Amino acid sequence: EPEVTQTPSHQVTQMGQEVILRCVPISNHLYFYWYRQILGQKVEFLVSFYNNEISEKSEIFDDQFSVERPDGSNFTLKIRSTKLEDSAMYFCASRLSGPRNYTFGSGTRLTVV
Amino acid sequence: AQSVTQPDIHITVSEGASLELRCNYSYGATPYLFWYVQSPGQGLQLLLKYFSGDTLVQGIKGFEAEFKRSQSSFNLRKPSVHWSDAAEYFCAVVSGNEKLTFGTGTRLTIIP
Repeated sequence: EPEVTQTPSHQVTQMGQEVILRCVPISNHLYFYWYRQILGQKVEFLVSFYNNEISEKSEIFDDQFSVERPDGSNFTLKIRSTKLEDSAMYFCASRLSGPRNYTFGSGTRLTVV
Repeated sequence: AQSVTQPDIHITVSEGASLELRCNYSYGATPYLFWYVQSPGQGLQLLLKYFSGDTLVQGIKGFEAEFKRSQSSFNLRKPSVHWSDAAEYFCAVVSGNEKLTFGTGTRLTIIP
């Protein structure tokens, strides 16, 4: 069964550093998402991406965040200057059309120290 | 705005007992609903989903859920739990721009 792949599974970074989280969505999917889950809390929507542009973003997704699909296969989330409160599990998701094949990756645990 | 309520933060059941986890949603149109399970430090595993048709949905690991429009509910059930079912369970609804809105989760503890 096709999978959404996220790398790395765990990343530790120093406060103030830039970090890039990588995702390889399912190859024929068209819509891409990032979600965040702070430890012990619920999963929250960050951003959706379609046709090479952001289609919606939450209030969490401020100027320190950016997304990119640089080469038609990868989908990245960049955090420009990490803060302690950015420590969380970040999930990538993709779908083809409609919600039926909505698929999540296994997540990247980001720890900011 | 769409929302999902999981009223039970923590549930404890005995191994072999039946289980029901509650989920209520708020959404104007016909909802698309999901249940996910998450073990500590792990990712989200899809248990089942509802889009239309039969209101009783079968999922993996022996779970099922029933969509009740009149009650705006999509409760998850299992007739006999196993120790390996201990985890966090999240209900979610597809909302605008096809993003998922998650509930706050229910932590399930299984006692021998």
